[in-house]
Amino acid sequence: ETGVTQTPRHLVMGMTNKKSLKCEQHLGHNAMYWYKQSAKKPLELMFVYSLEERVENNSVPSRFSPECPNSSHLFLHLHTLQPEDSALYLCASSQLAEQETQYFGPGTRLLVL
Amino acid sequence: AQSVAQPEDQVNVAEGNPLTVKCTYSVSGNPYLFWYVQYPNRGLQFLLKYITGDNLVKGSYGFEAEFNKSQTSFHLKKPSALVSDSALYFCAVRVSYSGNTPLVFGKGTRLSVIA
Repeated sequence: ETGVTQTPRHLVMGMTNKKSLKCEQHLGHNAMYWYKQSAKKPLELMFVYSLEERVENNSVPSRFSPECPNSSHLFLHLHTLQPEDSALYLCASSQLAEQETQYFGPGTRLLVL
Repeated sequence: AQSVAQPEDQVNVAEGNPLTVKCTYSVSGNPYLFWYVQYPNRGLQFLLKYITGDNLVKGSYGFEAEFNKSQTSFHLKKPSALVSDSALYFCAVRVSYSGNTPLVFGKGTRLSVIA
């Protein structure tokens, strides 16, 4: 599990706060992903970065803003979130090929009050 | 479009008995199929995948899965369940030659192994 790390592991924020989630991968991969996991719902893909360029944005509200400064780091900037945004946010990375496995970090458990 | 179904929300098995977690898929093309496991307060851990070749795939922790093209299934199996296997299991699919389209995950099956 140390291949993909995420910080913080837990975060509580008010609706007016601004915070950032950080993901770092130590696997030499060139694609990174943000997923949202809510109770009773399937895993939702939010963003995909391929070679540090965003290639997927699945109709995610603008209050979520991703950033990929290099192939090893991925951020998710949060501002003016809503209580329904409370969830487990998972980062993953992989090599850029269809058969390649995505490896996940431990997630950040976010609670929006 | 591609999709994956895990028809059981919950599977209960006695320790030492064989376990099966079901997965069926729908794709237009050849599938790449994956199984992941999630323990409480953890991310998803990769178990095994089918890309091509032998229909029986062996993975981590004694798990295996059989690709069945005619039934469009990829059920996860283990000959003898352990209490420590209790977790949430996800099946995922991607179409081959699809230009790196996203993985599509099932909704998950909670496995409970009872001592």
